[in-house]
Parts: sequence; structure tokens; C-alpha cells
Amino acid sequence: AQSVSQHNHHVILSEAASLELGCNYSYGGTVNLFWYVQYPGQHLQLLLKYFSGDPLVKGIKGFEAEFIKSKFSFNLRKPSVQWSDTAEYFCAVNARDTGRRALTFGSGTRLQVQP
Amino acid sequence: EAGVAQSPRYKIIEKRQSVAFWCNPISGHATLYWYQQILGQGPKLLIQFQNNGVVDDSQLPKDRFSAERLKGVDSTLKIQPAKLEDSAVYLCASSFNTGNNSPLHFGNGTRLTVT
Repeated sequence: AQSVSQHNHHVILSEAASLELGCNYSYGGTVNLFWYVQYPGQHLQLLLKYFSGDPLVKGIKGFEAEFIKSKFSFNLRKPSVQWSDTAEYFCAVNARDTGRRALTFGSGTRLQVQP
Repeated sequence: EAGVAQSPRYKIIEKRQSVAFWCNPISGHATLYWYQQILGQGPKLLIQFQNNGVVDDSQLPKDRFSAERLKGVDSTLKIQPAKLEDSAVYLCASSFNTGNNSPLHFGNGTRLTVT
């Protein structure tokens, strides 16, 4: 079974600071990787995803993530955060080599951006 | 397009009572998921349906939780009897199918408080 670890539980940044949120997964096979975001009072939304190909993927709102297979990592980055990025961020994975497509989520990172 | 609809938004019950949650997925979505999100944790899969059949219910506490999707469209999740540790947000998600290009769409969830 897969598992996902997010190392930062709560991150506080000032506007324009750079962001990197860590995500590591554990699974012996091939995976698809995702980052979801949950803005206050809203539902979970897909930020970006990696299936194959270029390990650097770009998502919405200037976010990107890099898949490093040797480190089992899929860290989320943004060069300059805005107050509107305040939200909870979840890394998720599913196994590509099984029929199961249900996502396994990390525990989330709460990002607070101060104006 | 209309999103995933869930009701109720909030529910407060006493332990040992029963409760039911309802989910109406996006029209045409064959795959439906129920997740449990305990405060401070990421969503955890309870059950996955493909049309009206169960694909994965390995993490569903079957002694007290049940779910059905009789006509392959909307779904209900029931807890009977509830325990204090069932306090959580119950999320419903749907996808067109289980393929890579079929992202999950989440509802706003039902927040359950068991006292």
C-alpha cells in the first residue's frame, strides 16, 4: 500500500516569499502524483498532477512541482506567494500498476501568507 | 457544470445514534468515492464505487459503516451506531472513470460532530 508524508504541517510566509512544501511517498511500484489545494471554506481542488514525462510539472496559479524518483519526492514550489495562496495543501498518490485509482493523501500543510 | 453535491453540510449527533450522508456526483461520472477527513489529517478513502459496484471498501469499518449506490448515480453513507472518533468531515468525490485523464472532483463535505 502507498503512504504519503508531508513534513511541514504549518508554514507562515510573507507575501513575495518563495515557497517549497515537501512531499515524500512510499510505494514500490509506479505512481501518479498530485497536489490538491483547499482554500478556506471551499472544496479540494486539483493544483497539478504528474503521470509521466517531464518530471517538472506546472500547475495553476504559478505553482510547479518536481518529481525526483530517486528520492520518492514530489515537492511543491512557487517563486513568489500571494496572500490569496493561504490554504491547506495536500500531496496525494495513486498506484498506476493496479486497478486502484483512489488517492492516498498526506496529512496536509497549512500555508498562511501574511500581507 | 454543476459540482459534486453533498448534504447535509453539518450534523451533530450523540454517540450511539445513527446518521446518513448523501452525495450526488457530477452527471456522467461513473466512479464515486467516500473519504473521511479527521481534523489535522488528510482524507482517507472509505469506499470506492464504479457505477453501482464496490471497487474497494478495504478501509471501511463495516461493523458500523455502510454505503450504497443502488442506481449507479447518487450514494448514501451511513454510520450506525456512531462513536466519538467518527467526528470528521466526510467527503464525496467523483470522476468520469478511473483513467489517468479523469481527475477527482470533490464536494464540500459533511462535517459530523459526535458528542
